[in-house]
Amino acid sequence: DSGVTQTPKHLITATGQRVTLRCSPRSGDLSVYWYQQSLDQGLQFLIQYYNGEERAKGNILERFSAQQFPDLHSELNLSSLELGDSALYFCASSVEIQARYNEQFFGPGTRLTVL
Amino acid sequence: QKEVEQDPGPLSVPEGAIVSLNCTYSNSAFQYFMWYRQYSRKGPELLMYTYSSGNKEDGRFTAQVDKSSKYISLFIRDSQPSDSATYLCAMSANRGSTLGRLYFGRGTQLTVWP
Repeated sequence: DSGVTQTPKHLITATGQRVTLRCSPRSGDLSVYWYQQSLDQGLQFLIQYYNGEERAKGNILERFSAQQFPDLHSELNLSSLELGDSALYFCASSVEIQARYNEQFFGPGTRLTVL
Repeated sequence: QKEVEQDPGPLSVPEGAIVSLNCTYSNSAFQYFMWYRQYSRKGPELLMYTYSSGNKEDGRFTAQVDKSSKYISLFIRDSQPSDSATYLCAMSANRGSTLGRLYFGRGTQLTVWP
């Protein structure tokens, strides 16, 4: 158990809908990362938040957005869902101490199926 | 061209074999090199990381980084059925606003049969 929790574990929805994925980082970790894992693209970085602020963006679609709350949990919002959005979505957290290696701990993931 | 290339396999070996997993990359900014293991329907977990070039050993696992060739390897000695999983290489840069984001290979699916 990495200490990172994600809910829900599974989500089945229809095209055009909107869903919210939730992540609680490990105690003490300030940074949250979101990744998408699909069969054809592998694991791809979406977005990073550090202590409530967006720090880096990757291949995140405009239909997707995220935020990190004062208690450091994070939510990933996916809207106008398409079939191609079906994937595993992972959250990872790290402590982010400067000038050293910071391991990212991954949660168990949310499996999204868009029908 | 993806920044990190990894042969997806699958790789199937008998118990006790030496396994070699490899990745190549194109971005010279990468400084940290990691190997993650992912069991089916689970999140990736870190096996080992290496900073810059060189070798690192941890039990039956050895990670090698050759920055001049932009090539990294993971060796598993005396492989066990419990090693059956998908192995993902990952890399990150050491500067800039994208300090922490990881760039992953596609993963190599390994099966070790008894």
